[in-house]
Amino acid sequence: DAGVIQSPRHEVTEMGQEVTLRCKPISGHNSLFWYRQTMMRGLELLIYFNNNVPIDDSGMPEDRFSAKMPNASFSTLKIQPSEPRDSAVYFCASSLGPNSNQPQHFGDGTRLSIL
Amino acid sequence: GQSLEQPSEVTAVEGAIVQINCTYQTSGFYGLSWYQQHDGGAPTFLSYNALDGLEETGRFSSFLSRSDSYGYLLLQELQMKDSASYFCAVPYTDKLIFGTGTRLQVFP
Repeated sequence: DAGVIQSPRHEVTEMGQEVTLRCKPISGHNSLFWYRQTMMRGLELLIYFNNNVPIDDSGMPEDRFSAKMPNASFSTLKIQPSEPRDSAVYFCASSLGPNSNQPQHFGDGTRLSIL
Repeated sequence: GQSLEQPSEVTAVEGAIVQINCTYQTSGFYGLSWYQQHDGGAPTFLSYNALDGLEETGRFSSFLSRSDSYGYLLLQELQMKDSASYFCAVPYTDKLIFGTGTRLQVFP
């Protein structure tokens, strides 16, 4: 079975550029989560969707960050303009439903470096 | 709000048993999860406890005491491949709040 697929795996770009991260959840999973992981702040939830609808974006750090889920099989996280402090590993995860006892399945992550 | 506390690092030798503790504070409680993350890898689900007691899955077991707001992950017959970070997590509304993680180093 295909797991959560993220692209790109690595991204290096200069500050000020637009960055788009992509995620394909596991087929049949109704909930999708975007996380950011850094040494300093650990694993932070940025936003999550249920049935393609954004439910909680309170973790999105600034207006420079936006996320969309146009259909059940695709989501994007966009940073515009990017800044060096955005450098982190960004994970997408999906689960069967919004119930918190459902295991979350993580993608391999996008390692983002902003120069 | 929700908060979780875990030790930052634990070391052990191959074949040993190690326990990773997690204490939590949460308004409303629905269960405690554990995730494993190898360096450079993604978090992977290990276990979920909704009720008090011990849940065993092979070499790994997870324990929960709701009255003490405490749980632990027990790893037996440690192997080198168990070197990783381990996160406890509690649900809050429809999302998970993760602890800061415990880095386990297994030595030969």
